[in-house]
Amino acid sequence: QVQLQESGPGLVKPSETLSLTCTVSDASISDYYWSWLRQPPGKGLEWIGYIHYSGSTSYTPSLKSRVTMSLDTSKNQFSLKVSSVTAADTAVYYCARDGPGTGPWGQGILVTVSS
Amino acid sequence: DIVMTQSPDSLAVSLGERATIKCKSSQSVLYSSNNKEYLAWYQQRPGQPPKQLIYWASTRESGVPDRFSGSGSGTDFTLTISGLQAEDVAVYYCQQYCTTPFTFGPGTKLDIK
Repeated sequence: QVQLQESGPGLVKPSETLSLTCTVSDASISDYYWSWLRQPPGKGLEWIGYIHYSGSTSYTPSLKSRVTMSLDTSKNQFSLKVSSVTAADTAVYYCARDGPGTGPWGQGILVTVSS
Repeated sequence: DIVMTQSPDSLAVSLGERATIKCKSSQSVLYSSNNKEYLAWYQQRPGQPPKQLIYWASTRESGVPDRFSGSGSGTDFTLTISGLQAEDVAVYYCQQYCTTPFTFGPGTKLDIK
């Protein structure tokens, strides 16, 4: 059963860059598309984007100018960076396998943007 | 972007009864090249990450009980939970994965009456 685990700082200052890593177990990162999603506290789900080992990426337009995804096949990990964060970027961030639909998901990591 | 709407916002159903949740997309999520509906359903229990229940509008994910069923086509879809159990208390989301950005409905909160 594929397992995913997010890691990274839980607190980021405004205007700085949020950086998260997802470690994948029991599946090769080269075999699928991989997604990042987020959920602000008490609100619904937002798809941030996906990445494929070929280098193909797709980002949601509202975040495209601030988002970068990458992957490291040697560590079976993929990563998310969101630059110039504000309080509106406070959310639980999830990584997940893509296609068809989205799943399984990691447990999620709460990232708070605050000084 | 494809806008997803859900109804109702919340519902309460008695144990053992049927719960029905509707999802509507602002445009078709049918991919004509393979005749598949790019629509998925997720369950999110309190304090847990979402769990995929259904994909291709009606295919149950492995391990999902058969009391969960999905139906619909084009722009109108339904998730039905037959024989509601206490562990089904959750928020349910639909998602289209036909066109990026992939978009979710706002969620339907299901409680026990």
